[in-house]
Amino acid sequence: GENVEQHPSTLSVQEGDSAVIKCTYSDSASNYFPWYKQELGKRPQLIIDIRSNVGEKKDQRIAVTLNKTAKHFSLHITETQPEDSAVYFCAASRTNFGNEKLTFGTGTRLTIIP
Amino acid sequence: DAGVIQSPRHEVTEMGQEVTLRCKPISGHNSLFWYRQTMMRGLELLIYFNNNVPIDDSGMPEDRFSAKMPNASFSTLKIQPSEPRDSAVYFCASSSIQGIGTEAFFGQGTRLTVV
Repeated sequence: GENVEQHPSTLSVQEGDSAVIKCTYSDSASNYFPWYKQELGKRPQLIIDIRSNVGEKKDQRIAVTLNKTAKHFSLHITETQPEDSAVYFCAASRTNFGNEKLTFGTGTRLTIIP
Repeated sequence: DAGVIQSPRHEVTEMGQEVTLRCKPISGHNSLFWYRQTMMRGLELLIYFNNNVPIDDSGMPEDRFSAKMPNASFSTLKIQPSEPRDSAVYFCASSSIQGIGTEAFFGQGTRLTVV
């Protein structure tokens, strides 16, 4: 089955700086890679996703890159703000006109230092 | 739509008791997932259903855990008998088939404490 590794487990950055979280996956057939943000005591919520037919996707201060050859993908947050503090999870799944299970990484606790 | 609805939000039970967690997926969604979240193991998929049919239950830890989806709008996760190591937050999520890759929407979760 799929195995997703995520690094680092904790990350502290100064407000306004950039944060990068990296994930690797094992199943070369995986084709969908979402990122979820979970604030303390809340549910995980999707912030951005990327499919295997593109290499990069951006949404305002958030971007995700995908390297299929190396089987890794990364989340980039620029101009970080205090409200970016949360736990971030990457995930991978192999989907083809049907839902298949999302395998999550172990999470990165991001702390933005004012 | 109110989103994925889980009940109860909190459950405290004694070891050996039966626990039933409930989930109502978003209307129109045809996939439902049960996840367990702990500090040590992160988010683990326990089981998922497509069109009310269990597709993969390889994540169910042992026979004490069972899940059902009798119809498109309701699912249960049962633990019998419960043990202290089952203490965790249990999330239900749902999504709909839209080709390659679809957002999974999570419920608020049920925080289970077994004492």
